[in-house]
Amino acid sequence: DVKVTQSSRYLVKRTGEKVFLECVQDMDHENMFWYRQDPGLGLRLIYFSYDVKMKEKGDIPEGYSVSREKKERFSLILESASTNQTSMYLCASSFWGDNQPQHFGDGTRLSIL
Amino acid sequence: EDKVVQSPLSLVVHEGDTVTLNCSYEVTNFRSLLWYKQEKKAPTFLFMLTSSGIEKKSGRLSSILDKKELFSILNITATQTGDSAIYLCAVGEYGGSQGNLIFGKGTKLSVKP
Repeated sequence: DVKVTQSSRYLVKRTGEKVFLECVQDMDHENMFWYRQDPGLGLRLIYFSYDVKMKEKGDIPEGYSVSREKKERFSLILESASTNQTSMYLCASSFWGDNQPQHFGDGTRLSIL
Repeated sequence: EDKVVQSPLSLVVHEGDTVTLNCSYEVTNFRSLLWYKQEKKAPTFLFMLTSSGIEKKSGRLSSILDKKELFSILNITATQTGDSAIYLCAVGEYGGSQGNLIFGKGTKLSVKP
């Protein structure tokens, strides 16, 4: 079974802090994704990566950055956390190529106070 | 602008009922349509549809795609309380970046005993 592991289920941080969310997958997937999920807005893509050290902006990249130093690990960074970044963050991964489903981690519920 | 629209947004039924969830899309270079089930944690992959008129089936769940009318339905027969979840529809595109999905906002299904 595919395993996508997010480092924390719940996280509480303060405004202005630098926040790191970690995601690790064990299936040798090329693609990795970070989404945020908010009520009434669905899943919105923040960043994705299709290879080590490669990254591309999704729909809402402002206020975020990412790092992919190893194939299995994809980190989301909130450079200076703000209250409007309180959300559920979901990591996903998939193989490269057509018609490959994405597999999701359990999510990190992040609260910025 | 590409979009995926799910209806209804929420639905309450009783055990044993049959439900139909709808997903319509306007996507420039359609490649595939995926259904996910999200309970309290990670969305789990249900089906991927690429061809019109071919039903995918798994137990009490089935889904079909109409590429002419640009929609898909997910049917659940003899619903159980364990079917309570958010059902997400997503569409993948050709071209652009490999692996990206455009998500609908989801249908929240509640099955009452």
